[in-house]
Amino acid sequence: SQTIHQWPATLVQPVGSPLSLECTVEGTSNPNLYWYRQAAGRGLQLLFYSVGIGQISSEVPQNLSASRPQDRQFILSSKKLLLSDSGFYLCAWSEGQENQPQHFGDGTRLSIL
Amino acid sequence: GQNIDQPTEMTATEGAIVQINCTYQTSGFNGLFWYQQHAGEAPTFLSYNVLDGLEEKGRFSSFLSRSKGYSYLLLKELQMKDSASYLCAVIDSNYQLIWGAGTKLIIKP
Repeated sequence: SQTIHQWPATLVQPVGSPLSLECTVEGTSNPNLYWYRQAAGRGLQLLFYSVGIGQISSEVPQNLSASRPQDRQFILSSKKLLLSDSGFYLCAWSEGQENQPQHFGDGTRLSIL
Repeated sequence: GQNIDQPTEMTATEGAIVQINCTYQTSGFNGLFWYQQHAGEAPTFLSYNVLDGLEEKGRFSSFLSRSKGYSYLLLKELQMKDSASYLCAVIDSNYQLIWGAGTKLIIKP
């Protein structure tokens, strides 16, 4: 069966520091991969998605970036965090077919001080 | 623009039935998902509808009317553990997933 791992679970970072969140998927090949952010009490905001290695689509211009160095690895990064980057970050995967549900990792709660 | 509307919050009693509505205006339609999200946790997939009608899965059922741009999630025999947010999401004509803001369901004993 397929599993998705996302770490760390919580992170506290100072303003201006860098960020790297990692997500890996097991048990499937060539999945679609997604990064979302959820502000407290709000809906999901799609940040990035990828349909293959090295293919990244950005939905929201900001100081975050994403990379997919391997088929089942998706990384969210920032060179310099802002206070507004605080939130709950979720990685998700879906099968390559276009009407398949997305399955989420446990999320990373990021607090910027 | 694309829009999905859900009530912000609903309250129901343990053992009762509750219906959570979702209306959508999107550029095309290729399916609709319902997800459950407990506080502080990730969303989990509940159901998928692409054709009109009712899909039943145990205590949970989901209904779709494409002509009305409308879906609902029906929860029967409510349990305290059903207290969560319920998210509606629609696949548009470009196969992009459009998310609603979610409905927070509070179950009272």
